[in-house]
Amino acid sequence: AQTVTQSQPEMSVQEAETVTLSCTYDTSESDYYLFWYKQPPSRQMILVIRQEAYKQQNATENRFSVNFQKAAKSFSLKISDSQLGDAAMYFCAYRSAEEYGNKLVFGAGTILRVKS
Amino acid sequence: DGGITQSPKYLFRKEGQNVTLSCEQNLNHDAMYWYRQDPGQGLRLIYYSQIVNDFQKGDIAEGYSVSREKKESFPLTVTSAQKNPTAFYLCASSSTWGRREQYFGPGTRLTVT
Repeated sequence: AQTVTQSQPEMSVQEAETVTLSCTYDTSESDYYLFWYKQPPSRQMILVIRQEAYKQQNATENRFSVNFQKAAKSFSLKISDSQLGDAAMYFCAYRSAEEYGNKLVFGAGTILRVKS
Repeated sequence: DGGITQSPKYLFRKEGQNVTLSCEQNLNHDAMYWYRQDPGQGLRLIYYSQIVNDFQKGDIAEGYSVSREKKESFPLTVTSAQKNPTAFYLCASSSTWGRREQYFGPGTRLTVT
């Protein structure tokens, strides 16, 4: 079974600065997808960014980018120019491309606090 | 507007009672999912369904039941056999082809006393 580990329960960043959230995962599969979801205080889950394992290029969405290291099974999220609205719980998630069901496996989450 | 609705937002029940959480989507998605969220544990999969009239157990199905009689609806029943039912419950849906992104509803907070 796949597992996802987020080793930072909480992180803080100053407004306009850059922060990196860490995620590692364990799998024996070669084809899969990785995601970062954001959960603000409203508790609505919002997809931030996705990465296909077969792509070497790191995904980027505006101020959000990832550092995908397939051999190391690492998938970190970098938030540039942090804004107050970035304060939320962030979850890293894994989805197999080989198993039936399109299921997501989540890490425990990292609370991000943004200081003004 | 297309989306996923969960009702109610807050639900209170006495121990020993079954309770059903509603999830409806109008995104024309074939697949639907139920997750449970506890503090410090992320989201865990309870049940999922890829097509009407078919569903599979997730990682923590004990004490829960579901039905999938309509494409738009995937209700979750929390039975009295569930030892620790107090939690935040999230429903999601996705297409079964293409990018297959999961879209989430706003969640239901269930408190059992």
